[in-house]
Amino acid sequence: DAGVIQSPRHEVTEMGQEVTLRCKPISGHDYLFWYRQTMMRGLELLIYFNNNVPIDDSGMPEDRFSAKMPNASFSTLKIQPSEPRDSAVYFCASRTAGETQYFGPGTRLLVL
Amino acid sequence: AQSVSQHNHHVILSEAASLELGCNYSYGGTVNLFWYVQYPGQHLQLLLKYFSGDPLVKGIKGFEAEFIKSKFSFNLRKPSVQWSDTAEYFCAVKSYNTDKLIFGTGTRLQVFP
Repeated sequence: DAGVIQSPRHEVTEMGQEVTLRCKPISGHDYLFWYRQTMMRGLELLIYFNNNVPIDDSGMPEDRFSAKMPNASFSTLKIQPSEPRDSAVYFCASRTAGETQYFGPGTRLLVL
Repeated sequence: AQSVSQHNHHVILSEAASLELGCNYSYGGTVNLFWYVQYPGQHLQLLLKYFSGDPLVKGIKGFEAEFIKSKFSFNLRKPSVQWSDTAEYFCAVKSYNTDKLIFGTGTRLQVFP
């Protein structure tokens, strides 16, 4: 298995632009998690899905952030409009119930 | 609320020194415990995990951890570190009544040759 796949790996954009991050979980995994990592706040859980349904989005910073999972093999995290304080590494992770969580390589986002 | 504490924020060692990183959690029920490692510029990778059974768990690269239920602890150890162990180490806990992994704040390990 290729593991969790994320794209793009790096994204540089200007403030106010829309940013879309993509994730393909490991096949067969029914949980998908989006995290954000920064030096100041460490690793934060933004939102997670079970069987494509959002279960807990309490970590989403504000309405500028949205996430979808249209099917079992694809999820997006969108920031619109982006701001410099959104600069971070965004990780996607997946697992099956009761098992180990595996992380993707991350998307390094820089908002200028 | 459940929490995970990693008291060592930054550890500096010389090669061949022994390592122990502390991890304590607050949940009193049945838990799954994990240590993840993040090498510079990379993603989190599983180092080892405890679900049940022998409380002494062996992981990759010579790491081990011991689950002590009475102390709510899951400390990570390695008898002799290498320069390549330089990384950030995260302890994580999942209780049976939640889907979420609760992560500690991480411990940055620097190993000098």
